[in-house]
Amino acid sequence: SFELTQPSSVSVSPGQTATITCSGDKLRDRNVFWYQQRPGQSPVLVIYQDYKRPSGIPERFSGSKTDNTAFLTISATQATDEADYYCQTWDSSTTFYFFGAGTKVTVL
Amino acid sequence: QVQLVQSGADVKKPGASVRVSCKASGDSLTTNDFNWVRQAPGQGLEWMGWMHPTGRITGYAQKFQGRVTMTRHTSTSTAYMELTGLTSDDTAVYYCARGHPFHGMGVWGQGTTVTVSS
Repeated sequence: SFELTQPSSVSVSPGQTATITCSGDKLRDRNVFWYQQRPGQSPVLVIYQDYKRPSGIPERFSGSKTDNTAFLTISATQATDEADYYCQTWDSSTTFYFFGAGTKVTVL
Repeated sequence: QVQLVQSGADVKKPGASVRVSCKASGDSLTTNDFNWVRQAPGQGLEWMGWMHPTGRITGYAQKFQGRVTMTRHTSTSTAYMELTGLTSDDTAVYYCARGHPFHGMGVWGQGTTVTVSS
């Protein structure tokens, strides 16, 4: 079974930069997506195709990838960014999606 | 503006089946894949499976194969997910999400809470 590994939690001070990692086998060859989920709400897509932002997502959110590790960076973090963040990828051989276990971002 | 509106919360007994619906407005079911994702209390997101826009092709995560069926009614723009053989481990919020392997899951339903309890 394919696994994506994320840290369970990340803490950041308001105005600072938070970086979340997501590692997985052959991730360099796969599209990576990132979702934000605030408590009690449905997930929201914040990054697709490794680094692209959907319409309406603030520029503070950026994505990148190096080898088999993807990164979600939140710049100038705000209190409203406190949420769980999930990475996801799609495996073309099985047509299955896989989620990471999620990272809780706390803005102290 | 595309919206996905799901059916209301449901309570089932162990061994029963549940069917969750997801109605699309502002778009049809025939333009994007449909996915189902669940989230157990306090846990992360778990992908269950997907349905091709034609409705003829589905793919189910290994964990759910044999227990889940995803269908649609094009005329009502409604997608369905049925899960059989429920146990307490199936207690979760179930989400539908419109997606694409290149563009991700950009539109989500509001979630349907399914509680399995004797």
